[in-house]
Amino acid sequence: NAGVTQTPKFQVLKTGQSMTLQCAQDMNHEYMSWYRQDPGMGLRLIHYSVGAGITDQGEVPNGYNVSRSTTEDFPLRLLSAAPSQTSVYFCASSLFGQGKYEQYFGPGTRLTVT
Amino acid sequence: KNQVEQSPQSLIILEGKNCTLQCNYTVSPFSNLRWYKQDTGRGPVSLTIMTFSENTKSNGRYTATLDADTKQSSLHITASQLSDSASYICVVSPNNAGNMLTFGGGTRLMVKP
Repeated sequence: NAGVTQTPKFQVLKTGQSMTLQCAQDMNHEYMSWYRQDPGMGLRLIHYSVGAGITDQGEVPNGYNVSRSTTEDFPLRLLSAAPSQTSVYFCASSLFGQGKYEQYFGPGTRLTVT
Repeated sequence: KNQVEQSPQSLIILEGKNCTLQCNYTVSPFSNLRWYKQDTGRGPVSLTIMTFSENTKSNGRYTATLDADTKQSSLHITASQLSDSASYICVVSPNNAGNMLTFGGGTRLMVKP
């Protein structure tokens, strides 16, 4: 099993550009989520999905879109990048709700918006 | 507001020494608490998961304790190794749903030879 994979590892964007961060898992997990991690702060939930076709907003969803067309993939789209979106982004998956089951994180995508 | 506070923010110890990291939370209700290890440039990896009824859980040289009455947890690392250098994150969940985890800011541990 590759676990949770994320691409790209690093990305630099100019303000106003759009892009998609890719996330895939091969563990047949229903639950997938996106977090951002900023210096000195805990991870914050952006969006999550409890299964294919179902997504919902987390704590900091503004400026981001997600979709879940398959169990395996959960891409995160930045619609119009802003410097405030400079952060490290982590995708995670688990068998069921994160609260009860082991949660597996991807290696992260470091995004810089200039 | 649900909060998870960790202390210290950073810690330097010598290889072979023990250390204890603290986590205080105000999350309510409480379902479970977990400790993660995050190496630089990598995603967090789960060390332990404790529910309300568990007050101690070990994973090799890592031992987590939980006092649900005082809403405190600690992570004790025994006989530290250079590979223990990482950030340690405390995470609390109020339920079994997936959308309400509260993450602490982490303790950055550096183990020196």
